[in-house]
Amino acid sequence: QQKVQQSPESLSVPEGGMASLNCTSSDRNFQYFWWYRQHSGEGPKALMSIFSDGDKKEGRFTAHLNKASLHVSLHIRDSQPSDSALYFCAASVYNQGKLIFGQGTKLSIKP
Amino acid sequence: GGIITQTPKFLIGQEGQKLTLKCQQNFNHDTMYWYRQDSGKGLRLIYYSITENDLQKGDLSEGYDASREKKSSFSLTVTSAQKNEMAVFLCASSKDNNERLFFGHGTKLSVL
Repeated sequence: QQKVQQSPESLSVPEGGMASLNCTSSDRNFQYFWWYRQHSGEGPKALMSIFSDGDKKEGRFTAHLNKASLHVSLHIRDSQPSDSALYFCAASVYNQGKLIFGQGTKLSIKP
Repeated sequence: GGIITQTPKFLIGQEGQKLTLKCQQNFNHDTMYWYRQDSGKGLRLIYYSITENDLQKGDLSEGYDASREKKSSFSLTVTSAQKNEMAVFLCASSKDNNERLFFGHGTKLSVL
């Protein structure tokens, strides 16, 4: 079983709408969480990290972490067609250098 | 800024063949990674290296070897290519263990 599980597998959101992506870890040792985005034909690019309980906002992107339930989410407001991509959640234990990725959520923004 | 260069971009091999993928980074980063990406399975860690000449196994290391002879380069060898295998191999680097990863564009492997 994967240690980092993402849902949904795919998501379609109208342009200007809110996209919400979820991620759950099964390993309580994971303390650092990242969101990465991958456009077709490219390598993934880091969007943002979150290490503390609560919300972290960067522009149109907000990440939320609940360490007690090992749940991380990413919310994208005012979604744009350029946000259409594969989104990965990733987790690591502090200072271990081993970043484990989930299986990804495919996000499509419909004009 | 910097860049991760992976070669080749496309690699076609025969069943049983030994295949080598190369990765170079000019970020001067300490840690480098090899991930395999299959459709629907996300990224799976094959090997990583926290410094020159260091090697750490990931969850998918069986069937692969890796080499970090210089700080700037990290190579991956598929020891015996499996028939009909198709995947993208992604190389990445990071400044240290808790920093973001920077990825290359990948090497797409097809085995006939």
